Amino acid sequence: EADIYQTPRYLVIGTGKKITLECSQTMGHDKMYWYQQDPGMELHLIHYSYGVNSTEKGDLSSESTVSRIRTEHFPLTLESARPSHTSQYLCASSEWKGFSTNEKLFFGSGTQLSVL
Amino acid sequence: DQQVKQNSPSLSVQEGRISILNCDYTNSMFDYFLWYKKYPAEGPTFLISISSIKDKNEDGRFTVFLNKSAKHLSLHIVPSQPGDSAVYFCAANPRNQFYFGTGTSLTVIP
Repeated sequence: EADIYQTPRYLVIGTGKKITLECSQTMGHDKMYWYQQDPGMELHLIHYSYGVNSTEKGDLSSESTVSRIRTEHFPLTLESARPSHTSQYLCASSEWKGFSTNEKLFFGSGTQLSVL
Repeated sequence: DQQVKQNSPSLSVQEGRISILNCDYTNSMFDYFLWYKKYPAEGPTFLISISSIKDKNEDGRFTVFLNKSAKHLSLHIVPSQPGDSAVYFCAANPRNQFYFGTGTSLTVIP
């Protein structure tokens, strides 16, 4: 079944650690996104990608990096985790077709990150 | 400044009644809107969408209404069920971007 997968679901780590959040999709979508979401807040765009070897920065990109070596894989790396990074991280993909409208996001289950 | 606003953080309704969730947007150029449902510690799931060429779209118990002149849309859930209890996000999708509201937490009381 076509889906989008995120691992781990939950992660508790200490300050200063380097972490990579994994995201894979079997939907054949070109465009992929990372969002951060806290309770009662809107989703904030961290990074996105139009396809292989494409990465773009969103509003909250300064403390993380992404790579897109394969269409189906879009990992997010925090070089040095801080308590302010505690949040839910959501990966999404869409069947983007150039400058068309009516784009729909499909989300993974999320990674809940706690930095102590 | 937020371009999509959901001014009601929470809403409680009785099972079987109608739930109405509201959303306002600021940019009259926005032409496609979506509603997502989110359970705690889960990712959002797509519910229903509407294009600006329509003023209503229906899918089972869910109907979205769009009032372009007021820059307002609403999601109606009839009848409401306890399983509908979740956070509902409104989103606008102008070309290549998404703008999300802050969500409305719906509680359906059995």
